[in-house]
Amino acid sequence: AQSVTQLDSHVSVSEGTPVLLRCNYSSSYSPSLFWYVQHPNKGLQLLLKYTSAATLVKGINGFEAEFKKSETSFHLTKPSAHMSDAAEYFCVVSEGDYGQNFVFGPGTRLSVLP
Amino acid sequence: DVKVTQSSRYLVKRTGEKVFLECVQDMDHENMFWYRQDPGLGLRLIYFSYDVKMKEKGDIPEGYSVSREKKERFSLILESTSTNQTSMYLCASSTRQGLYHQPQHFGDGTRLSIL
Repeated sequence: AQSVTQLDSHVSVSEGTPVLLRCNYSSSYSPSLFWYVQHPNKGLQLLLKYTSAATLVKGINGFEAEFKKSETSFHLTKPSAHMSDAAEYFCVVSEGDYGQNFVFGPGTRLSVLP
Repeated sequence: DVKVTQSSRYLVKRTGEKVFLECVQDMDHENMFWYRQDPGLGLRLIYFSYDVKMKEKGDIPEGYSVSREKKERFSLILESTSTNQTSMYLCASSTRQGLYHQPQHFGDGTRLSIL
């Protein structure tokens, strides 16, 4: 079975500084990986997805993630944090014949300080 | 853009009541899902459906049932609510088209409180 580890439950950065949210996964084959963001009392919004194409994936709102197979990692980065980035972030790996089963990481709460 | 609409943002019910949570998607997606999200427990899959009238149990189906009579609509039914069903309920949909696994698209959630 696949699993996802998000190494930090909470990350705090200052506005304008870089963001790094870490994700490691375990998978028995080439995975599909996703990052989602959730703002308070809202649903999950897709930030970006990796599906065996380019290893550096660009997403919305300036976020990007790099797939490193040798490290089984899919870390999320952003060069400059904005106050509106404060939210919960989930790393997800999909499994099942049609990718219908999502395995969610526990989430990382990002705080952005003024 | 994919739109997944959940019928209610907030609901307050009393124990023992029957509750219907409705979800509609506008992208002709084959797959639809119901999750609940609780602090410290993350997102847990209740049921999913991969086609009309088809359903599969997820990780925590007890106390819940589902209905999918039309492709765009997936309903979660709580037959007799209990206080431990107080939670945030999230609906999602995805397509099976394409070479790779496709992302799930989520609604804004229904925060259900059982008193």
